[in-house]
Amino acid sequence: QITLKESGPTLVKPTQTLTLTCTFSGFSLSTSGVAVGWIRQPPGKALEWLALIYWDDDKRYTPSLKTRLTITKDTSKNQVVLTMTNMDPVDTATYYCAHSREYSRQLLDPWGQGTLVTVSS
Amino acid sequence: EIVLTQSPATLSLSPGDRATLSCRASQSVSSYLDWYQQKPGQAPRLLIYEASNRATGIPARFSGSGSGTDFTLTISSLEPEDFAVYFCQQRGNWPITFGQGTRLEIK
Repeated sequence: QITLKESGPTLVKPTQTLTLTCTFSGFSLSTSGVAVGWIRQPPGKALEWLALIYWDDDKRYTPSLKTRLTITKDTSKNQVVLTMTNMDPVDTATYYCAHSREYSRQLLDPWGQGTLVTVSS
Repeated sequence: EIVLTQSPATLSLSPGDRATLSCRASQSVSSYLDWYQQKPGQAPRLLIYEASNRATGIPARFSGSGSGTDFTLTISSLEPEDFAVYFCQQRGNWPITFGQGTRLEIK
């Protein structure tokens, strides 16, 4: 069974850097074709894909946030970390991580439960 | 970036009714269009992948169709647990994008 869980601060101040960790089980990010992605959802709004990292360390970012995002992996710990710099109140959202199975062309399933991050001074 | 437009924004139906949800892409995504269901306070759950394939454990009353730019999610006979928000998502082109959602509410 594949499970993912997001962790990190629930409150950050404007201009600070957000660091979120996705800890997963049931698969390995060293398996060829596997990937983990991050998606966010502002309260009451639509989903927005942020970033994806592959087993071979290839990375993809959404263009509008590319300069602020960094995604990394620690295969030995079964973790993926997303950092977002220069946080703003509009970045207030629930942040999800999701698994992408082998060579599935980024099919995101399943997702973690999400973690709500509020940006406020 | 491919824009996905879902319609209607809200759909009010009764249990037992047939629901038809639409997702239109601003350019072709081939068949790389997925549907997710989201209930309040929960993460999205994959229902349909690649336009017409039911995900594991999804009841047969859910079906998907379409290719290119026009896609449909059909729920043949609504159960009480089906009232939720439905999102479409394309992964045929970077970046991955989502529609704005259709809220399926009880009439």
